[in-house]
Amino acid sequence: QSALTQPPSVSAAPGQKVTISCFGGSSNIGNNYVSWYQQLPETAPKLLIYENNQRPSGIPDRFSASKSGTSATLDITALQTGDEADYYCGTWDSTLSIGVFGGGTKLTVL
Amino acid sequence: QVRLVESGGGLVKPGGSLRLSCVVSGFTFRDFYMSWIRQAPGKGLEWVSYISGTSGYIKYADSVRGRFTISRDNAKNSLYLQMSSLRAEDTAVYYCARDADPPLVYGMDVWGQGTTVTVSS
Repeated sequence: QSALTQPPSVSAAPGQKVTISCFGGSSNIGNNYVSWYQQLPETAPKLLIYENNQRPSGIPDRFSASKSGTSATLDITALQTGDEADYYCGTWDSTLSIGVFGGGTKLTVL
Repeated sequence: QVRLVESGGGLVKPGGSLRLSCVVSGFTFRDFYMSWIRQAPGKGLEWVSYISGTSGYIKYADSVRGRFTISRDNAKNSLYLQMSSLRAEDTAVYYCARDADPPLVYGMDVWGQGTTVTVSS
């Protein structure tokens, strides 16, 4: 069982918007920045978002994220078939002194 | 070009040992914290361990503490993960990633392609 809770799957049609949630606690999301990762099939994860809502260069602004209290969300707008992937949130747990990931959310673009 | 290349994976019997390597290029290795992350077949990402640039700060996940040892050689631009007392549940693809302090907070911005470890008799 992951320290951070994500829905196992989400789906939406091309062009639509999808939101992926990530729930944690006061020792992890509540006290640290959150990062998000995209893992396309059979590839290594890729950083999408850091420091709650910052995009690395090269990440389109269709990807955005926010944090409130002990939860975080990733929004993807104008969905494309190429966005089909697994998405993970991650942060540090200050009490346990370990890195923690969510269980991952599989995005299907119908 | 920033690049991380893992190696050292393979098939090992339960109770055995294996040493993974991650050779980096394209950035000043000693300036960065580094992490190991693993992914069991069909499962999600699991943070494994993390080391500071000077090797003065090291942390492990509970699942590997006492069995795995992270280290680095800044002169060789290399990160290592010595794994011992391996169990079937250690079977996974192991990734190295460039990180910061604390891990995951500022984003793991560069990842290797992964190396596969299979623990089976």
